Formats: sequence, structure tokens, C-alpha cells
Amino acid sequence: EDQVTQSPEALRLQEGESSSLNCSYTVSGLRGLFWYRQDPGKGPEFLFTLYSAGEEKEKERLKATLTKKESFLHITAPKPEDSATYLCAVEDGGSQGNLIFGKGTKLSVKP
Amino acid sequence: ETGVTQTPRHLVMGMTNKKSLKCEQHLGHNAMYWYKQSAKKPLELMFVYSLEERVENNSVPSRFSPECPNSSHLFLHLHTLQPEDSALYLCASSQDFSGYEQYFGPGTRLTVT
Repeated sequence: EDQVTQSPEALRLQEGESSSLNCSYTVSGLRGLFWYRQDPGKGPEFLFTLYSAGEEKEKERLKATLTKKESFLHITAPKPEDSATYLCAVEDGGSQGNLIFGKGTKLSVKP
Repeated sequence: ETGVTQTPRHLVMGMTNKKSLKCEQHLGHNAMYWYKQSAKKPLELMFVYSLEERVENNSVPSRFSPECPNSSHLFLHLHTLQPEDSALYLCASSQDFSGYEQYFGPGTRLTVT
């Protein structure tokens, strides 16, 4: 059965304290791995798509990486405005169009 | 603004009511989706439409009825809901139904009393 597990469930950082969020997945054939950011009361906001192991994407203080079993979202020198829930989702080649989401990591960055 | 709008933003309905949620995308995408987001649970895909045809129905109870009249509009018709159906209902669209990132609307917060 396809699974997506995100860790930690919650992460509290001081402003400027870099860290990483993890997304482990089990699918029969990865078609794509997606990272989203969700603020309270809002819909998820697309961040990155990764398609193959070794791929990396960057945007401002965020960098996403992908291996055959997991993805990391690295946050460098975070700011309070980076506080949000970060969601990981995978699309299995055997069930196209069906994104399987993890439960998310709730990030809090204190000034 | 992601280019996906949803109305209403909040809805309170009794178990015997009938209501509809509306979604509109302004991105020229070919695929649209309905998701349910409950507290402490991952997003759950409910329905997928590609070029106005339903391609996925994830064992959703018949009290939820989707409608896609064209590639820009998606509706979710609700009737005789249960309290456990209270959740955030999210609409999304993507360029095509496989291999592309999905863009989400702000959601409709539904409360069933």
C-alpha cells in the first residue's frame, strides 16, 4: 500500500536556526513528489515538484531534495513568516492523478 | 491568489439540507479535483475530472455528488450529510491529470449540524 510519512509532526525553531523536514514514501513507481505550504485557514500553496532521485529544487530559503525513499525540505536561516504546515505528496505511476499526502509538519519560527 | 476560487468560504448546514460548493479555475487547466481535509488527517482525494470526464472516484459516499460542466468549473453537491462530514473541502486544478503540480483554492469550511 502506498504510504507517505512526514517527520517531525511539529518543529519549533528560532529565527536563523536552519533545519530539515523529512518525507518518507513507499510507492510502486514514483511519478512525482510535491511539496506544499499551508497556512491556517487557507489552501495548500505549491512549492516544488521533484521527479527523480538526485533532483534538487531551490526557492529563497527552501531547498528540496529527493532520494529513492525520501525527500527533504531544507530551511536555511528561517524567518517567522516561514511558519506554516509543510505538506508532502506523491503520485504513484500506478494511480495517475491520485496524490497521496502526508499529515504534514507544522513549523513554528520564533523571532 | 492561485487562480482557483471557491464559494462559499464557510457553510453551515443541517443534515437534511441540500447545498452546493462551487469551484472555478482561471488557469486554463484540463484537470480539476475535490479534496477533503479533516483535522489530524491527510488530505483525501475525493474526485478527479479530466477534460470534464470523471477519471477517479475514491469510494466517496453517494451523498457527495460532483459535477463538471466545463473545464473551468467544478461543483460538489451535498445532501443528507453527517456530522463527520464537517471538514475543509478543497478544490484544485492542474495542467493535466497526471504528473503536474496541483493548484489549490482557499477551501470551503463546512460544518454539518
